[in-house]
Formats: sequence, structure tokens, C-alpha cells
Amino acid sequence: KAGVTQTPRYLIKTRGQQVTLSCSPISGHRSVSWYQQTPGQGLQFLFEYFSETQRNKGNFPGRFSGRQFSNSRSEMNVSTLELGDSALYLCASSLAGDRGGELFFGEGSRLTVL
Amino acid sequence: GQNIDQPTEMTATEGAIVQINCTYQTSGFNGLFWYQQHAGEAPTFLSYNVLDGLEEKGRFSSFLSRSKGYSYLLLKELQMKDSASYLCAVDQTGANNLFFGTGTRLTVIP
Repeated sequence: KAGVTQTPRYLIKTRGQQVTLSCSPISGHRSVSWYQQTPGQGLQFLFEYFSETQRNKGNFPGRFSGRQFSNSRSEMNVSTLELGDSALYLCASSLAGDRGGELFFGEGSRLTVL
Repeated sequence: GQNIDQPTEMTATEGAIVQINCTYQTSGFNGLFWYQQHAGEAPTFLSYNVLDGLEEKGRFSSFLSRSKGYSYLLLKELQMKDSASYLCAVDQTGANNLFFGTGTRLTVIP
């Protein structure tokens, strides 16, 4: 079955712009979580959605937001981009609802902010 | 505070055994994961421990001691393709909110 699909794979933006990233989870997976990966900080949790509701949010500023649609697809948005937002943004989906489970990661969207 | 510690880099020889350690201090604990990430690729699941003890899966084994806040990943019969980063992560809330370490970059040499 198809894996987690993220689009776009690569993008370049300038400071002050905003960006929207998309994630299609594995069919049947209702939990979608987002992570930011940078060389210095590793993978950092952004937020997690389950059945269109945000259940958890990491320690990121309000410029980072997300949502989940009824078909479990998810988007994340970053507004007023800063140079430090340059990173690989990974989406992961999971079958698990109430308990943590194995995460299936997409290939990521690599954002460069100039 | 919350913290996960792993060695930054390790080097091992093809055919050998290597143990990657992970110590953690987190606000909650619902299990510990190990993921493998090859350069430029997505992380892939290796193992999950929720109870103390050893979980074996082929060439890979993972151990957990909750009282010590300690885990290790054991890789046997190392192959060149095992060169990758190995990420230790704690599930803090049971809702796919994983807290990751910065990873251990393993290089396997001939």
C-alpha cells in the first residue's frame, strides 16, 4: 500500500513569506503528526492530529499551525518565515488512537528560507 | 527537564556487534522507540519497548530499563548498509507525541 506522501518535496522561500506543506497519510491511518528536523536539534515535535482534532502541540511559536481534514490528510502552515525555519519537515502517520504506536514517516518537505 | 542522551557518532567494523546507548529523562513515559534514518531518507521503525527487558528482532535487539531511564540498541553481524543514524525516542503521552534524541550516526567500515 502507498506510504506517507508529502508535498512539495523541496521549496525555497524568503523571509516574511508563508508556506503550506501537505501530508497524505497511509490509508486507514487517522493520526498524523508533524516534526521539524534540523542538524543541530534533531527531530522536534510540532503537533499531532487525530480525527481532525489537535491532541498535542510542541513548543513552537504560534506562526506554526496545522489542520487535519475529514479524509485524514493534513496541512501545516508557517507564517512570517524566518531564516531559522529552514529545516526538513517530516509528517508521520499511525494507526494508533489512544496509545502511541509505530510511526510511518514520509520523505519530508525540505524548506529553505533565504 | 526533559532530555535524551545518545552518543553523537560511532564507528564499527563489518561483521561486528555494536551497542548504541540511550538515557532519558522525560515528563511521561509510554514506551521507547528506535528508528533508523539513512542520509536523505525518512526515519523507519526498528523497535518498541514498553516493558523492561530485551526485545529481539533478527539482527537487531533493543533493551529497556525504566527504573534506570536507559535503553540500548544492539546490532549484530553488522553490514555496510547499517551505516545510518539511529534515533532513540520516548513516547511521552501515548498520543504519538515522540520526544527524540539527536541521534547516533553509525559508520560501518570494511
